[in-house]
Amino acid sequence: AQSVTQPDIHITVSEGASLELRCNYSYGATPYLFWYVQSPGQGLQLLLKYFSGDTLVQGIKGFEAEFKRSQSSFNLRKPSVHWSDAAEYFCAVASMNRDDKIIFGKGTRLHILP
Amino acid sequence: NAGVTQTPKFQVLKTGQSMTLQCAQDMNHNSMYWYRQDPGMGLRLIYYSASEGTTDKGEVPNGYNVSRLNKREFSLRLESAAPSQTSVYFCASSPMSGIYNEQFFGPGTRLTVL
Repeated sequence: AQSVTQPDIHITVSEGASLELRCNYSYGATPYLFWYVQSPGQGLQLLLKYFSGDTLVQGIKGFEAEFKRSQSSFNLRKPSVHWSDAAEYFCAVASMNRDDKIIFGKGTRLHILP
Repeated sequence: NAGVTQTPKFQVLKTGQSMTLQCAQDMNHNSMYWYRQDPGMGLRLIYYSASEGTTDKGEVPNGYNVSRLNKREFSLRLESAAPSQTSVYFCASSPMSGIYNEQFFGPGTRLTVL
């Protein structure tokens, strides 16, 4: 069965510093991968997704993620974080089987120091 | 466009009480979903409706029922609430079923069962 792991529950970075949030997945075939962001008190918003092709995908708000099949990873990056990036980030994986559903990771909460 | 709306925003129930969570979308989407979010657990799918007139169980359907009233509305009912159902509930919609389609989330309903 497919699964997704986000090893870091909390991460704190200083404003202006670079960011990398880790995501590892478990799935036999090529997975379909997503990153969502949840701001406090809000629903989730899609940041980016990977289905096929270029392994480096660009998303909204200056985020990017890189699919590495050899490491079963899909890490999210941003060169310089802003205070408004403080939120919870969810990695998700899905498959093209009859269930067609998305499995979410447990999330990483990002804190920004001024 | 309001997007996905959910009512109520907050609710406190006593064990054994029933209630219905309402969800509506104005994006003419075919598919709708109900998730619950618990601390450290990420999002888990309760029920989904791939199209008007159809509903299917997700990962954690026990204790819940759903109704796809029409294309716009998808309600979630707790017949006899239990403390284990204390959670934040999110409704989402997407243009079609299937993982290629981005899911748009509502702001959530925070439910406490005493």
